[in-house]
Amino acid sequence: GENVEQHPSTLSVQEGDSAVIKCTYSDSASNYFPWYKQELGKRPQLIIDIRSNVGEKKDQRIAVTLNKTAKHFSLHITETQPEDSAVYFCAANSGSARQLTFGSGTQLTVLP
Amino acid sequence: EAGVAQSPRYKIIEKRQSVAFWCNPISGHATLYWYQQILGQGPKLLIQFQNNGVVDDSQLPKDRFSAERLKGVDSTLKIQPAKLEDSAVYLCASSPFVAGSNEKLFFGSGTQLSVL
Repeated sequence: GENVEQHPSTLSVQEGDSAVIKCTYSDSASNYFPWYKQELGKRPQLIIDIRSNVGEKKDQRIAVTLNKTAKHFSLHITETQPEDSAVYFCAANSGSARQLTFGSGTQLTVLP
Repeated sequence: EAGVAQSPRYKIIEKRQSVAFWCNPISGHATLYWYQQILGQGPKLLIQFQNNGVVDDSQLPKDRFSAERLKGVDSTLKIQPAKLEDSAVYLCASSPFVAGSNEKLFFGSGTQLSVL
């Protein structure tokens, strides 16, 4: 089955700096890669997603890049703010039912 | 738009007891998922429904876990008997897309289960 590895597990940045979280996947047939943000004690929420037919997607301060050849994708957050502090999960779809396999999460802390 | 509703919010039981969780998806969402999230890990899919049919239950421990979505709307997940390792947050999610897409999942707030 699909294996999604996520790095780093924790990341601290100063407010205003950029943050990058990286994920690798194993199933070359994966074609959908979402990122979810989960604040402490709250539900995961979709923040951005990308399909395999594009290499990059942006939405204001967040962007995702995809390298299909290397089977890795990354989340980029620019001009970080304290409210960006949360756990971020990447995911990739796979299998006959195209189920999502999630990474283990990255705890991002934005220091004021 | 109302979100995915789950209850109870918290549940504490002893091992070997049974427990049930309830989920009401966003109106009109045909696809419903149950995920298990162990502390410090990403959500892991247990079962996926489209309407009242099971699409994927390959990761559901069927000797103790069961789930149903009889009328194609709300769903229940049951554990009987519970084990210590079942302690986790059980998340329900729904999607406006058909099964096989797994896109745009909307999650509920989850039920935090503690098995003592």
